[in-house]
Amino acid sequence: SQQGEEDPQALSIQEGENATMNCSYKTSINNLQWYRQNSGRGLVHLILIRSNEREKHSGRLRVTLDTSKKSSSLLITASRAADTASYFCATGWTSGSRLTFGEGTQLTVNP
Amino acid sequence: NAGVTQTPKFRVLKTGQSMTLLCAQDMNHEYMYWYRQDPGMGLRLIHYSVGEGTTAKGEVPDGYNVSRLKKQNFLLGLESAAPSQTSVYFCASSYFSGFLYFGAGTRLSVL
Repeated sequence: SQQGEEDPQALSIQEGENATMNCSYKTSINNLQWYRQNSGRGLVHLILIRSNEREKHSGRLRVTLDTSKKSSSLLITASRAADTASYFCATGWTSGSRLTFGEGTQLTVNP
Repeated sequence: NAGVTQTPKFRVLKTGQSMTLLCAQDMNHEYMYWYRQDPGMGLRLIHYSVGEGTTAKGEVPDGYNVSRLKKQNFLLGLESAAPSQTSVYFCASSYFSGFLYFGAGTRLSVL
């Protein structure tokens, strides 16, 4: 079964608005990662946040992690049409090397 | 650097045929993975390897075999293809438990 679950499944916004996507997971993790996938392409990593971190920034991206609620959020500020893609969270287990991916959020940014 | 290269990019098989998907990475990563991506199901881990000569089962290993004879290559084999194996296959590699670097994917149709 999938470890991470993204919410919402789809999100449509206007250029310039902020986009927030959420990820919930079920078991203990040592890191959580966010990836982007453009249509027909492979996944590209965005941010990795470790279980002892609460917030991380990278450019227009902000990721938070709440281990007590087993949830994470990805905020994209001042969105652009080029941000249109699917976004996936992936959780790393406390032992082993495998990541488990959620089903993704399809973000559409309208010009 | 080419990163992670997958061949072929597209393939159509008949039920019962066999084939091998090749993944090559030039980043000297220890870990390599094979995922499949199906609509509405996100990415699911088929098999993975934590080093040359090692392989391990993931979430959906049935019907697939893998080999990692060289550190830079990870092969995924389908011995007797079934329509249920129609999917997009992604190879990825990583340093231990860090980011995954993905290939562009192989679109496989089994008729």
